[in-house]
Amino acid sequence: AQSVTQPDIHITVSEGASLELRCNYSYGATPYLFWYVQSPGQGLQLLLKYFSGDTLVQGIKGFEAEFKRSQSSFNLRKPSVHWSDAAEYFCAQLPNNNDMRFGAGTRLTVKP
Amino acid sequence: GAVVSQHPSRVICKSGTSVKIECRSLDFQATTMFWYRQFPKQSLMLMATSNEGSKATYEQGVEKDKFLINHASLTLSTLTVTSAHPEDSSFYICSARDTGQIEAFFGQGTRLTVV
Repeated sequence: AQSVTQPDIHITVSEGASLELRCNYSYGATPYLFWYVQSPGQGLQLLLKYFSGDTLVQGIKGFEAEFKRSQSSFNLRKPSVHWSDAAEYFCAQLPNNNDMRFGAGTRLTVKP
Repeated sequence: GAVVSQHPSRVICKSGTSVKIECRSLDFQATTMFWYRQFPKQSLMLMATSNEGSKATYEQGVEKDKFLINHASLTLSTLTVTSAHPEDSSFYICSARDTGQIEAFFGQGTRLTVV
């Protein structure tokens, strides 16, 4: 079965430090991959997506993600975290062009 | 990008009553809509998939008689939680996708509290 794994439930980083959130997906011929951010009580905001082409994807708010087929990974990165980045982050995959499957989420805390 | 509007954003209802949540695509035709449920501090779990004009397909473990989904038009799907109980309290999110498109777009979510 297709699945998305986010190994880190909770990550704490200092403001200004770099960030990497991990995501692994189960193998798929066309792994449509997404990263969303969710603030408490809010809906999902799309940060970036990968369908094909350049494996380094730029998103909003200074985020980027790199698709690595050999590692079945789609890790999210940001060079310098801001306090406003504290939120829940979800990696998602669209297997078989049907319905989206989400990882368990990673909660990001930003220390001042 | 495409806009999906979900209404209401919050609702409180009494136990035993029914509540309807609407999901509208504002600038595209939503031939397929998805309904998700999210418990506190958990991920989104797909409840059902609906195609316009067809009966919804429910995920295993989701009671179709309790969570009624109607997708009668290309821009509107509704989720009705019937005879709601406190354990139905959750965050419900819809998403919508047009024919031939890969990406689905999400509504803002509805916080349902059953008292």
